[in-house]
Amino acid sequence: EAQVTQNPRYLITVTGKKLTVTCSQNMNHEYMSWYRQDPGLGLRQIYYSMNVEVTDKGDVPEGYKVSRKEKRNFPLILESPSPNQTSLYFCASSLSVAGDYNEQFFGPGTRLTVL
Amino acid sequence: RKEVEQDPGPFNVPEGATVAFNCTYSNSASQSFFWYRQDCRKEPKLLMSVYSSGNEDGRFTAQLNRASQYISLLIRDSKLSDSATYLCVVNGGTGGFKTIFGAGTRLFVKA
Repeated sequence: EAQVTQNPRYLITVTGKKLTVTCSQNMNHEYMSWYRQDPGLGLRQIYYSMNVEVTDKGDVPEGYKVSRKEKRNFPLILESPSPNQTSLYFCASSLSVAGDYNEQFFGPGTRLTVL
Repeated sequence: RKEVEQDPGPFNVPEGATVAFNCTYSNSASQSFFWYRQDCRKEPKLLMSVYSSGNEDGRFTAQLNRASQYISLLIRDSKLSDSATYLCVVNGGTGGFKTIFGAGTRLFVKA
């Protein structure tokens, strides 16, 4: 089944404890992206990647890191999480960057709470 | 000013009603446009891509006006199952291939 998977789905952690949220897609998509969703603010893009070893900042990259060593994986790293990073996180991927076939497919989301 | 702005909603409509959602975007170099649907606590899912020529899929019609930087979604004959949040999404433009989401418009369809 073609899909985007994220792990973990739920995570409660404490301030300053490094964590990684994994994202994987099995559709051979070039473009991958991370978003956070907060009440009243909608989805905001954190980072995106147009292909392996190519990453760019979205609108809210502060406090996050990403890597794209393989086409299928795009982990989100919080080196020192803070309470303001408590949010619902979505990973997404699309076949291409521009033109046709660039609609994004989303993972099921990761609900993160930082105490 | 937000880069993508939508009607704040919520919209409360009876079954069978026609409802229209509007969206404006600020970056004239934006390249592609979509409407997504999001059910409560679930991931967004593509509803329609939006083209300048307009496109229709059953009860749903989307329009793009590049000159006015305006996107619309029309839902005819609303069903209870149409209750969800509708997200206007804009891709690309100057500065790379960012994706910008509108804040979403919540729709409640009542029996």
